[in-house]
This record gives sequence, structure tokens and C-alpha cells, in this order.
Amino acid sequence: KQEVTQIPAALSVPEGENLVLNCSFTDSAIYNLQWFRQDPGKGLTSLLLIQSSQREQTSGRLNASLDKSSGRSTLYIAASQPGDSATYLCAVQGAQKLVFGQGTRLTINP
Amino acid sequence: DGGITQSPKYLFRKEGQNVTLSCEQNLNHDAMYWYRQDPGQGLRLIYYSQIVNDFQKGDIAEGYSVSREKKESFPLTVTSAQKNPTAFYLCASSGVTRGLYQPQHFGDGTRLSIL
Repeated sequence: KQEVTQIPAALSVPEGENLVLNCSFTDSAIYNLQWFRQDPGKGLTSLLLIQSSQREQTSGRLNASLDKSSGRSTLYIAASQPGDSATYLCAVQGAQKLVFGQGTRLTINP
Repeated sequence: DGGITQSPKYLFRKEGQNVTLSCEQNLNHDAMYWYRQDPGQGLRLIYYSQIVNDFQKGDIAEGYSVSREKKESFPLTVTSAQKNPTAFYLCASSGVTRGLYQPQHFGDGTRLSIL
């Protein structure tokens, strides 16, 4: 059974810092890995999707990497801003469904 | 604008009552999903449907039922058999392009509470 773990559960950093969020998964037989953002009381917004054949994806200040063999992904956020404060979830796509981690709650302090 | 609409935003259930959560999408996606999220937790899959008139149980289907009579709609019923229904419910949809899964798109959720 696929299990997804995110570390740390919460992170608080001053504005302007670069930071890394971690995601690990137990079964490397995945189709893709997705990173989502969730604001309080809201649904999820897709940030980046890395297909199983890819190593990384970039969007603006966000860069996500995937190492299938070691079962790890990282989300790198450059020059963090208070507006980046949210919960970030990673999810791996198996046959027919996504399996989610529990998320990292990120707070960027002005 | 294309997207997913969930209604209502807040819902209250009395003991022994069934309630139905609505999910509509205009993204022309074949697949639709229902998730449950508890405080501080990730999302757990309740039911999913990859095509009209077909759906599959997810990891926590007990006490829930769904239907998929139209491509655009995937309502979820929380039955009285679900003993701990208080949670945030999220609906999602996705497509497959050239054999590759595309990102899931989410609605804004329905928060269900027990009276």
C-alpha cells in the first residue's frame, strides 16, 4: 500500500528566505507526483506536476524535483513572500487514484 | 470560466438523516473524485468515477454513496450509517491526455457538521 509522508508538518520562516519542503513515498511505481497548495477553508490548487519520466518542473519561484528510485520529492520555494503562507500537499498518482501526504503548513513572517 | 462547483459551502446534518453534497464540473473531464479531509490530515479518497454510469469505492467508502448519471455531475450522499461525518469534503475532476494523467482540479469544498 502506497504511503506518502511530508516533513516537516509545519514550518515558519522570515520573508525572503529560500526554503525546501520534503515528500517521500514508499512505492516507486507511480505515474506522476503532484504538489498542491491549500489555503484555509479552501480547496486545493495544483502547483506542479512531474511525470514519472521527468526529474523536475519549474513554475516561477517554485521548483519541484522527483527521484523515483529513492521515493523522494522536494518543493523549493525561492525568495518566500507572506502570500506563500498556506498548506502544501504532495500526492502520488497510482493506478486510478492519488495518494496524499498530510501536508506541510507554511508560515512566512513579514 | 471552467471549474468545479460544490454546494452548499456549509451543511448541517441531524442524527439519522441522509444528506447530499453537490459537485458539478464544466471542464469536460471524464474522471471525478470525492475526498474527505479531517483537521490536520491529508485527503482520503471516498469514491471515484472514471466514466458516466460507473464508479468505484475508494479507501473509506463505508457510509457513503454516489451516482454518476451525467458527465458533469457526481453527487455524494452521506448516509446515516456514517457515524462520524463531520469533515471537510472536496470534489475533484481530471482528464487524461495522450495517456498521461493531468492535474486534478478541486472545488472549494463543503464543510459538514452534526447538529
